[in-house]
Order: sequence, then structure tokens, then C-alpha cells
Amino acid sequence: GQSLEQPSEVTAVEGAIVQINCTYQTSGFYGLSWYQQHDGGAPTFLSYNALDGLEETGRFSSFLSRSDSYGYLLLQELQMKDSASYFCAVSDDKIIFGKGTRLHILP
Amino acid sequence: GAVVSQHPSWVICKSGTSVKIECRSLDFQATTMFWYRQFPKQSLMLMATSNEGSKATYEQGVEKDKFLINHASLTLSTLTVTSAHPEDSSFYICSAPGTLVYEQYFGPGTRLTVT
Repeated sequence: GQSLEQPSEVTAVEGAIVQINCTYQTSGFYGLSWYQQHDGGAPTFLSYNALDGLEETGRFSSFLSRSDSYGYLLLQELQMKDSASYFCAVSDDKIIFGKGTRLHILP
Repeated sequence: GAVVSQHPSWVICKSGTSVKIECRSLDFQATTMFWYRQFPKQSLMLMATSNEGSKATYEQGVEKDKFLINHASLTLSTLTVTSAHPEDSSFYICSAPGTLVYEQYFGPGTRLTVT
């Protein structure tokens, strides 16, 4: 089977940095993706890691350690618009999503 | 970029009736499409994989006779919720894969409310 674990909620202050962790157990694995979803909207793709290491895209970075079955999403210079749910997802022959982390940002 | 549309964006129906949701790839062909269901404050749960010209593949626990999937063309997949009940009220989202393994183009979703 496949399972992904991530914290249900995280709270941070505007302008700060926050890290959202994800651990996974999968039968097949091509890579770890991260998606952002605002209330009432569809998920939007943020990043993808197929190999170990850090991928940086603007204010967002994502890290993967395949040996530890672990990854994280790092959000820097938080803005109020970053308040959303963030999902890690594993790619096999389909994409399976984690339960999601709701990010609350305080002014 | 690739665009996926869904119709309707929201629908209210009475218990016992059937509802059809369409998922279209607007500027590309999709031999495969995925259907997800999302309850409030929960994750996207993969319901089934829709395959053009063949039967859909359903995830464990999803009733194939209740959630009918048809993928009759390379740009259209439909999900029909038959004999809907209030517990079927949810947000239904479709997606189509891109050329890269991690690419998924999501539709905007359909909010179904069964009264």
C-alpha cells in the first residue's frame, strides 16, 4: 500500500519561514510532488523532486531524501496569500496525495 | 499551457437522482484521466483512472456501479454519480497527465450537493 504523513496544521507569521514535512511509504516511487490548494479551488503544482537534494523555485524550495523516504517543502518570506493547504504527493503510475497541511499565517 | 475544464462547476440535486460531470482537455489529448473526490478539509482521494476506449480502473472501495466513468474520446471523460445520496456530496476533481511523470493538469472541480 501507499501512505503519506504530513502535519495537519502549521501556523507561522507573515514574513517568516515555514517547513512542512512529509514522510511516505510506497510500493513504487518516481518522485515527490508538492501542491497548493486554496479553499474551493483545484490543486496547483508547486514542485517536484525525483532525486535527493533541494529544488528551489522562487520563495518555495523542496527537499527529498529517498533513503529516508522523507521530504519537505520550505516556504520563505511568507505572505498572507500563502494561507492554503499544502499536499505532498507521490508519483507512481498515478499520483497519490497526502492528507494535507493547512498553513495559517498570522499578520 | 494545458487546460482541463469541468462542467458543471457546481450542481445541486435531489437524493436518488443521477448527476453527470464532464472533464475535458481543451488543447491536448488525454488517453488517461483521473477522478478524485475531496471532502471538506480532507485530502484528494483517487477514485478511478479513466482510460480512453476501455474500462475505467477503480480504486479499492469505490463502487463502480455507482460511479460510472466513460472516456469516449481523447478529450472527454465523464463521471456519473448514480442514485446520489447526501453522503455523496463532495468536491469532484479530474486531472489529466502531462508528458512528464509528475505533470498533472487539474480541472477546476465540481461541487456536488445532494439534498
